[in-house]
Amino acid sequence: AAGVIQSPRHLIKEKRETATLKCYPIPRHDTVYWYQQGPGQDPQFLISFYEKMQSDKGSIPDRFSAQQFSDYHSELNMSSLELGDSALYFCASTERPNTEAFFGQGTRLTVV
Amino acid sequence: GEDVEQSLFLSVREGDSSVINCTYTDSSSTYLYWYKQEPGAGLQLLTYIFSNMDMKQDQRLTVLLNKKDKHLSLRIADTQTGDSAIYFCAENHILTGGGNKLTFGTGTQLKVEL
Repeated sequence: AAGVIQSPRHLIKEKRETATLKCYPIPRHDTVYWYQQGPGQDPQFLISFYEKMQSDKGSIPDRFSAQQFSDYHSELNMSSLELGDSALYFCASTERPNTEAFFGQGTRLTVV
Repeated sequence: GEDVEQSLFLSVREGDSSVINCTYTDSSSTYLYWYKQEPGAGLQLLTYIFSNMDMKQDQRLTVLLNKKDKHLSLRIADTQTGDSAIYFCAENHILTGGGNKLTFGTGTQLKVEL
């Protein structure tokens, strides 16, 4: 069965650079969530989209932005990267509201 | 408020049962989840329970929910070395804009010893 696809799997950027993370949800899933997991931390909710519109915002810095496109894939744009942005970024999708969330393998971002 | 707590570590012998506990605070959560994360890997959905249930069994996994005490547990029968991982419980919150947001616990590191 198709799963949530994230790309790239690994990304190394320098401070103050920009990064774009992509998420392709499971087919027919209309809701996408982004989470950030720092080393040894639990995943923290960043932002979510439902039917291509932002539905909730968590602890997402102003330097980050995201959107969901017409094909339901989502991109997380991160600018002016800081060392503290180094983390595993997960995307999850659900088929409809209030159902189980399936996660991608994550993108490991390292800022040097 | 949204706060999910778990104990940080659990060590068991292979073949024994493991019980991982979780407490949550949002009484409006309709689903509660257990995810498994192996080193460097993504979050794998193990099982979930709807809030109007008090028990759910799925092969070696048993989930118990005490809604009055806001306590959730995951029991793994006949624990194997392959079960060594971090286990996260998560509660969901229905968003006004649609969809739901998961709030994760701190994760319990399960170590299975021979």
